[in-house]
Amino acid sequence: SQQGEEDPQALSIQEGENATMNCSYKTSINNLQWYRQNSGRGLVHLILIRSNEREKHSGRLRVTLDTSKKSSSLLITASRAADTASYFCATVRSEKLVFGKGTKLTVNP
Amino acid sequence: NAGVMQNPRHLVRRRGQEARLRCSPMKGHSHVYWYRQLPEEGLKFMVYLQKENIIDESGMPKERFSAEFPKEGPSILRIQQVVRGDSAAYFCASSPRGLAGADSYEQYFGPGTRLTVT
Repeated sequence: SQQGEEDPQALSIQEGENATMNCSYKTSINNLQWYRQNSGRGLVHLILIRSNEREKHSGRLRVTLDTSKKSSSLLITASRAADTASYFCATVRSEKLVFGKGTKLTVNP
Repeated sequence: NAGVMQNPRHLVRRRGQEARLRCSPMKGHSHVYWYRQLPEEGLKFMVYLQKENIIDESGMPKERFSAEFPKEGPSILRIQQVVRGDSAAYFCASSPRGLAGADSYEQYFGPGTRLTVT
């Protein structure tokens, strides 16, 4: 079964708007990671948030983690057409990454 | 510092043939992971290897699939007697150490091999 479940499954916004994606997971974690995948490409690591952190920033990315609700959110501010991609959250289970099905983000120019 | 390299990028095989996918991890990385991605799906773990050892193959089908990471050379994912259901993107990732613990490191992914079985 999937450890991470992202929602929404698909999101379409205009350039300049903010995009928020959510991820829920089932078991306890040490950290949660977000990855981006451009169409037909491999995954690129975006940000890692540890279980004792509540919020983390990296450029236009803001990640929150609520361990009581077993959920995380990824916010992309001032989106650009180049942000169009699929975004996956992943948690570590027994030395391997477990991914959700992802959110497909489309940023329209 | 070259990233994770995979080849071939695209592979077409007829049903019943063998597919060999190669992965060269980043320099200094001794941990390699293989994942499979079906269209519109997330990545599913297949196997985790360290040099010359299979650590976890719980995600790999018991038959027809095998993986190795020899002392010298790339990691190889081998699929024997391919079937149409094997068509997918196969990604390799590497890390300098294992993922356990709060300070675990992210994995670095290769561009993937897209296998098409006709």
